[in-house]
Formats: sequence, C-alpha cells, structure tokens
Amino acid sequence: QQQVKQSPQSLIVQKGGIPIINCAYENTAFDYFPWYQQFPGKGPALLIAIRPDVSEKKEGRFTISFNKSAKQFSLHIMDSQPGDSATYFCAASYSGGYQKVTFGTGTKLQVIP
Amino acid sequence: SQTIHQWPATLVQPVGSPLSLECTVEGTSNPNLYWYRQAAGRGLQLLFYSVGIGQISSEVPQNLSASRPQDRQFILSSKKLLLSDSGFYLCAWKLSGSLGSPLHFGNGTRLTVT
Repeated sequence: QQQVKQSPQSLIVQKGGIPIINCAYENTAFDYFPWYQQFPGKGPALLIAIRPDVSEKKEGRFTISFNKSAKQFSLHIMDSQPGDSATYFCAASYSGGYQKVTFGTGTKLQVIP
Repeated sequence: SQTIHQWPATLVQPVGSPLSLECTVEGTSNPNLYWYRQAAGRGLQLLFYSVGIGQISSEVPQNLSASRPQDRQFILSSKKLLLSDSGFYLCAWKLSGSLGSPLHFGNGTRLTVT
C-alpha cells in the first residue's frame, strides 16, 4: 500500500516532443506528490509538486496532471530540450508520522536533438 | 537559505573496512534527516531517518547504522563493509512538521566496495 508505481522505465523523444511519465499510488492518505529530476552524479532536485485538491499544476514547461479518483498522476514536459535529459522520480508523502517519502522507480528520459 | 553538505563525493573501500559518511545541514533547525541508497540505474531506497537528535529509525536491516549527534548532523556508518554496500548514498533533509514540504538532497557519495 506504500508503493508508488512509475512508468515507463525509459523514454526517448525528439527535441520539441512531449514526454509523459505516469505514476500510480494506493495509499489514499498521501497528500503531497512531488516530482524530482536527477542528473548523473547528482542528488535529485525538486522539480514540481502538487496536492490532491488540485487537478493540474504548471511551472514553465513542466505540468503535473492529477486524477484523485484513479489515484494517478503524471508529468508532462512541453517542448522538451536535450537539457531535460535526466532521470525523473515521482514521489508521494503524507503529513502524518515522520513524513516518509515514497519514491517511484524512476524514468530515464533522453531527448535527442 | 538552507544548504546541505555531504562528503566525501567518492570513496573506494575494501571489503571488511569501516565506513563513515557525514552530512550537515545549514540554515534550518530541527530538520528531519534521511539517508537513501541508490543502486546503479535504480530507484531510491530509504535506509534511515531521524526526527531529532539521537532519534534514529531504520527502514532496512543491514550492517549499516546511522547516528545524529547534533541537530543538523547525520552520520552513516558501518563496522565492516560488504560488496553489496556499493552504491550512491544520498543524504536529505525536510522541514519537520510542515505540510507537504519537499526533500532536499545532497550531491551524494559514490561508494565502491572492492
């Protein structure tokens, strides 16, 4: 029940394309859904996050779509660039307890020129 | 602003040797602190977390241990390393008691056990 399932495992798109990464969760107690971006040899960094009372959030070229009833959320990268090539992790957490963050397994994105 | 420091950046250690990785956070008080491990090409595995000085919770039983001797210092240790301990170790902090606050990661330590 603590799992967050992420797909696809890897993704290759052309520059300008719109890669979409999907995540699904089971625990309805989760109330915070961040996405992290990780470049090789670096720690993950927060990219964008959403709460379940919002169905969509945009920050620049990055958009999270959230479907509470389906317990799914996704990341869309508009006009993708080679510099977006990285590994992306979705995550989920809840405010209670020690605020454990549960991560998806990651998606390695490659944007080719 | 808050910053997190993690060192060393890379480490090569023989099997059976001890380990000590250190992480410090600046610019905040009483953060939640976390140690994660990332195997090559894989996801993030939570190893330990701490909500206060001397308070350590373990997620995965293994030959690693963690300590929090000061509010903003988190140490990952081992008495005898195994080959399977190789990986990318990440320290992270999070505001305690804050609704929906993100994790902030250090730049990690690449550990190779030979």
